[in-house]
Amino acid sequence: EPEVTQTPSHQVTQMGQEVILRCVPISNHLYFYWYRQILGQKVEFLVSFYNNEISEKSEIFDDQFSVERPDGSNFTLKIRSTKLEDSAMYFCASSGTGVSTDTQYFGPGTRLTVL
Amino acid sequence: GDSVTQMEGPVTLSEEAFLTINCTYTATGYPSLFWYVQYPGEGLQLLLKATKADDKGSNKGFEATYRKETTSFHLEKGSVQVSDSAVYFCALKVDTGRRALTFGSGTRLQVQP
Repeated sequence: EPEVTQTPSHQVTQMGQEVILRCVPISNHLYFYWYRQILGQKVEFLVSFYNNEISEKSEIFDDQFSVERPDGSNFTLKIRSTKLEDSAMYFCASSGTGVSTDTQYFGPGTRLTVL
Repeated sequence: GDSVTQMEGPVTLSEEAFLTINCTYTATGYPSLFWYVQYPGEGLQLLLKATKADDKGSNKGFEATYRKETTSFHLEKGSVQVSDSAVYFCALKVDTGRRALTFGSGTRLQVQP
């Protein structure tokens, strides 16, 4: 069964450093998403991406964040200058078209630790 | 704004016990409702969904009915197994063209043999 994959599974970085989190969505999906979950808190929506542009973003997704689909398979989340409060589990998701757009398929997550 | 409230966990049950995890929501319009499950070390998996009032979603013995009058989508299972131990998330997606899912805080279920 197709699945969303994410790399790395765990990323440790120093405050102020740039990080790139990578995701490979399900191959025939057209909508891509990033969510995050700070330890002990809710899963929060960050951004959705369709047709090579951001279609929706939350107030969390400020100028520190950017997303890109650099090729036909990868979808990335970049944090330019990490802060301590960026430490969280980051989930990538994708969904298809038509009647299946409601169903978002999630990857296993990348745990980001900012020191 | 839109929100989802779940009962706090952990919920600890013995095998074959009946499970209910409460979920209520606040939303504009008529949202679609979802239950996702997260097994240890894995991502969020869709468990079931319902897209309109009185719809019942079901999968793997789990059920939830979309109750518009009580704005609820409680998850139930008649007989839990140890393998059901996981974190369960209730979520909604509004029908206003937005795609973002709004999640509850998650409820950890621990099933003991």
